[in-house]
Amino acid sequence: GAVVSQHPSRVICKSGTSVKIECRSLDFQATTMFWYRQFPKKSLMLMATSNEGSKATYEQGVEKDKFLINHASLTLSTLTVTSAHPEDSSFYICSASTGMGVETQYFGPGTRLLVL
Amino acid sequence: GEDVEQSLFLSVREGDSSVINCTYTDSSSTYLYWYKQEPGAGLQLLTYIFSNMDMKQDQRLTVLLNKKDKHLSLRIADTQTGDSAIYFCAETFTDKLIFGTGTRLQVFP
Repeated sequence: GAVVSQHPSRVICKSGTSVKIECRSLDFQATTMFWYRQFPKKSLMLMATSNEGSKATYEQGVEKDKFLINHASLTLSTLTVTSAHPEDSSFYICSASTGMGVETQYFGPGTRLLVL
Repeated sequence: GEDVEQSLFLSVREGDSSVINCTYTDSSSTYLYWYKQEPGAGLQLLTYIFSNMDMKQDQRLTVLLNKKDKHLSLRIADTQTGDSAIYFCAETFTDKLIFGTGTRLQVFP
């Protein structure tokens, strides 16, 4: 149980286009979903926290107009990278939480984004 | 800001013990965690330790915590090729997970 999927697993896009990444909790309802970004040889950096039906809370330094997050249902959150640029190329990971506590957070396999 | 440091790479022979080290900065973390990341899979919570404990053992895994030095380690006994992965330590800061840089463990026969 507690499986989180991400789609696509890998995407290549042209500079200036927008890319949408989906995060789904397959067998549980997630009250909270988190989006992380992972740079090579760097740790995962939390980008934003989203609760179903409300606006996402972005971490300092993360542009909310650049990284649009929608959490329309208890099983789906989307991250849209708008007007992507090569510096947005990264590994994006989501996690979904069933409730209180870090132990309830389950991670997706990640999406590799390459912007040309 | 909060900082969690790990060495980037560790190579061990199958059957030996692996020790992955981590240093952290926030002494108020209630729990400290170890995650495993395999290719194509999400981060998997391996184990965690409560901050008032010095040691926790879970089968082949032993976590040691030195709060004074803010040092956390994960020991994997009898390391197997299936243990090859990236291991992240993490602490909590205001209910958020702060991850280390990850240590890539390579196990060779």
